[in-house]
Amino acid sequence: AQSVTQLGSHVSVSEGALVLLRCNYSSSVPPYLFWYVQYPNQGLQLLLKYTSAATLVKGINGFEAEFKKSETSFHLTKPSAHMSDAAEYFCAIWGESNYQLIWGAGTKLIIKP
Amino acid sequence: NAGVTQTPKFQVLKTGQSMTLQCAQDMNHNSMYWYRQDPGMGLRLIYYSASEGTTDKGEVPNGYNVSRLNKREFSLRLESAAPSQTSVYFCASSEQKGTEAFFGQGTRLTVV
Repeated sequence: AQSVTQLGSHVSVSEGALVLLRCNYSSSVPPYLFWYVQYPNQGLQLLLKYTSAATLVKGINGFEAEFKKSETSFHLTKPSAHMSDAAEYFCAIWGESNYQLIWGAGTKLIIKP
Repeated sequence: NAGVTQTPKFQVLKTGQSMTLQCAQDMNHNSMYWYRQDPGMGLRLIYYSASEGTTDKGEVPNGYNVSRLNKREFSLRLESAAPSQTSVYFCASSEQKGTEAFFGQGTRLTVV
C-alpha cells in the first residue's frame, strides 16, 4: 500500500538557518509528489510538485525539493529560513489505483528569532 | 480568480442538527474532494468525486453524505451532527489524477 511519512511533527530552526523537512514515500509506480503549505487559519497552498520532468524541483518562496528514487524521499529545503516561513507543511502522493491524494501527517515549522 | 469557494466559513451546531457545507470551483476541474482536518491527524478524506456524476467514500465517510450537483459544485451534508464532527472542513478540486489539488479556505465547524 502507498504511504507518506513525514519525519518530525515539529521542526524548529533559527531565522537564517537551513530548513530541511523530510518526506519519505512508498509506491510501486513512478509517483506524483507534492509539497503544500498551510498558514494559520488558511487553506493549503501548493509549494511545489514532482511529475518526473526533473529530480530537483523549485517552488515558491525559495523552497525546493529533490526526488531521490533510491531513497524513496522527497525532502523539502530552503537555504535560509525567514519568520514568514512559519507554517505547517504537508507532503502528498497520488494514489496508484484511485483518485485520492495520500497525505503525510504534516510538519509544523517553527522559526526562532 | 476565485478558485475554490466554501461556505460558510464558520458554523456552530447543536448535537443532532443538520447542515450542508457548500463548495464551488470555477476552474472546470473534473475531480472534487472533501477533507476534514483535526489537530495531529493531518488531512483525512471524507468523500470524493472523480468526475461529474460519481462519488466515492474516502477514509472517514460515516456520518456524512455528499452530492455532486454539477461539475462546479460538491456539497457535504451532516444529517445529525455529533461533537466528534467538530473539525475544520476543506473542499478541494483537481483537473485529473496526477495534477495538483486546489483548496478552499475551510469551514470551521463546532458541534456542541
